[in-house]
Amino acid sequence: AIWMTQSPSLLSASTGDRVTISCRMSQGISSYLAWYQQKPGKAPELLIYAASTLQSGVPSRFSGSGSGTDFTLTISCLQSEDFATYYCQQYYSFPWTFGQGTKVEIK
Amino acid sequence: QITLKESGPTLVKPTQTLTLTCTFSGFSLSTSGVGVGWIRQPPGKALEWLALIYWNDDKRYSPSLKSRLTITKDTSKNQVVLTMTNMDPVDTATYYCAHSDVVAPHGGAFDIWGQGTMVTVSS
Repeated sequence: AIWMTQSPSLLSASTGDRVTISCRMSQGISSYLAWYQQKPGKAPELLIYAASTLQSGVPSRFSGSGSGTDFTLTISCLQSEDFATYYCQQYYSFPWTFGQGTKVEIK
Repeated sequence: QITLKESGPTLVKPTQTLTLTCTFSGFSLSTSGVGVGWIRQPPGKALEWLALIYWNDDKRYSPSLKSRLTITKDTSKNQVVLTMTNMDPVDTATYYCAHSDVVAPHGGAFDIWGQGTMVTVSS
C-alpha cells in the first residue's frame, strides 16, 4: 500500500492569508492525486484532481501542484468559507488511500 | 445531475453484519469506466477508503478489511450494496458512497458523494 503523510494536521490562519498544505507519498503516483474539502457535518467535496486540475465550480484561489511523491494544495487568499478540513487522496493504485487531513482554523 | 444516497441501519450490535445500500441516479453502472466506492469516517477522524466496484464487476477492497467486506451492484435498480461482517464498536462511523469514472477527466477521483449515513455499533 502507498502511505501518505499530510501536513500540517492543524493550520491556524487569518482571512486573506496564503496557506499551503503538503501531501507526501511513500512511492511515486505520477499525478493521480485529488484534494477534497470537508466542512463539519458534510460530505467531502472534490476540489482538485490530477494533482493540479480544478474541479468545475471551484474558485481559482485554490491551486494544486506536484507530481511523483510530493504534492501541495495552496489557497492564495483565504476566505471565511475556506475554513474547513482538507484531505488528499491517491488513486494511482489500490488500495486507494487518504491523507490524515488538515484542519484550517481561524487564527 | 448525479446524486447518491446511502441507507441502512443506524445502530448495529457487535458481531452483527451491516448492510448498506447506495442508491444513485444520473448515471449507469453499466457504462464503461464508471465505478461506485465506499468510504467511511469515524467521528472526528480521517476518511478511510473501503471498497470500489466498477461497471465490469471488477471489485477492489481495503486489504485490512477485505475478509469482512462484500460489494455488489444491481444495475437494474441503480444500487450498490456493501456488507460488512462481524461489526465492532471501532466500526462506528459515517459511511459514504461516491461516484468515480476512470474515463472522465477527473479519473478515479470521487467527484460526487452521498450525504453519508452514521452507523453506531453498540450493544
